[in-house]
Amino acid sequence: GAVVSQHPSWVICKSGTSVKIECRSLDFQATTMFWYRQFPKQSLMLMATSNEGSKATYEQGVEKDKFLINHASLTLSTLTVTSAHPEDSSFYICSARGSGVDTQYFGPGTRLTVL
Amino acid sequence: GDSVTQMEGPVTLSEEAFLTINCTYTATGYPSLFWYVQYPGEGLQLLLKATKADDKGSNKGFEATYRKETTSFHLEKGSVQVSDSAVYFCALSVRGGGADGLTFGKGTHLIIQP
Repeated sequence: GAVVSQHPSWVICKSGTSVKIECRSLDFQATTMFWYRQFPKQSLMLMATSNEGSKATYEQGVEKDKFLINHASLTLSTLTVTSAHPEDSSFYICSARGSGVDTQYFGPGTRLTVL
Repeated sequence: GDSVTQMEGPVTLSEEAFLTINCTYTATGYPSLFWYVQYPGEGLQLLLKATKADDKGSNKGFEATYRKETTSFHLEKGSVQVSDSAVYFCALSVRGGGADGLTFGKGTHLIIQP
């Protein structure tokens, strides 16, 4: 089946720094990628949808200047958490969908801890 | 707004027991419904889906029927195995057949004991 990877799998950073998380589709071209955030014992919350070569569409309440999303190629999307603060600590999960396919394939997630 | 409510776990069963995980939803449109499974250390995997009322999704012995009248999509399996231990997420999409962002339930941790 289709495989999606994320890097890093976990990251610890200091408050005020920026962190970049990569999401890659390994064996298919992802025309659309999604970024989700999951708090402990909570459901996944959609943050944004990105189409290759276009600006991301953010969900209501998600700060686009804080969570920068780039989808510059058909196999890579990045999420950059700028000026991270402890409240940004969370589990970030991406998913990818190919052209003409209605199934999303999920990455294993990235655990971000901001000190 | 759209939301999904599923029973909270952990749910602990013995091997070969019958499984039901309840899921109900509210949606502004006519949603597609999904069950995803997450095994330890892995990403979410699509288990089954249904795109219209009375459709039954099935996979690996699991089944769920799209019930519009009760806004439910309960997951069932007749005889569970230890390998079914995982976290199960019910989800919906109102903008297409899974083509757009998903709204998830909180997840149900299933533990199957030998």
